[in-house]
Amino acid sequence: AQTVTQSQPEMSVQEAETVTLSCTYDTSESDYYLFWYKQPPSRQMILVIRQEAYKQQNATENRFSVNFQKAAKSFSLKISDSQLGDAAMYFCAYNAGNMLTFGGGTRLMVKP
Amino acid sequence: EADIYQTPRYLVIGTGKKITLECSQTMGHDKMYWYQQDPGMELHLIHYSYGVNSTEKGDLSSESTVSRIRTEHFPLTLESARPSHTSQYLCASSDQSYNEQFFGPGTRLTVL
Repeated sequence: AQTVTQSQPEMSVQEAETVTLSCTYDTSESDYYLFWYKQPPSRQMILVIRQEAYKQQNATENRFSVNFQKAAKSFSLKISDSQLGDAAMYFCAYNAGNMLTFGGGTRLMVKP
Repeated sequence: EADIYQTPRYLVIGTGKKITLECSQTMGHDKMYWYQQDPGMELHLIHYSYGVNSTEKGDLSSESTVSRIRTEHFPLTLESARPSHTSQYLCASSDQSYNEQFFGPGTRLTVL
């Protein structure tokens, strides 16, 4: 069974600084998708970024980028120029079929 | 605008009552999901559906039931609510391309 591990229950970052959230996963599949979702307090879960495993190039969406290390089964999220609105729970997720397997989440706090 | 909707957003109800949590999507997705999430905690899949008349139980055992009579509608029912059912319930749907899941705003249920 696939597992997704987020080893940092909580992280904090100073506004305008950079922070990296860690995610590792376990799978025997070679073709799959990885996602980072953001869940702000009392608000809707939204997709931050997506990575296809067959692509070697790391995905980037504005201030958000990933460091995808397929051999190490690692998928970290880097947030540059952190903003107060980035404060949220962040969930890493893995998908090799019809199901998403989520990590336990990392709570990110942004200090003004 | 294509979206996924959940009603009610908040529900406080007494023990023993029957409740139905509504979920509808206008995204044209075949796959839909129900997750249970305690505040700030990980998501647990409780039900999913791959299309009309298809429903399956997820990883977390739940006393709730679901139905899928129409593609766009995936309601969840609790026949007799108990305090242990107090939680947030998230509905999601996914597309065929990346199996990216789109989430509704959630229903926060409190059973007294």
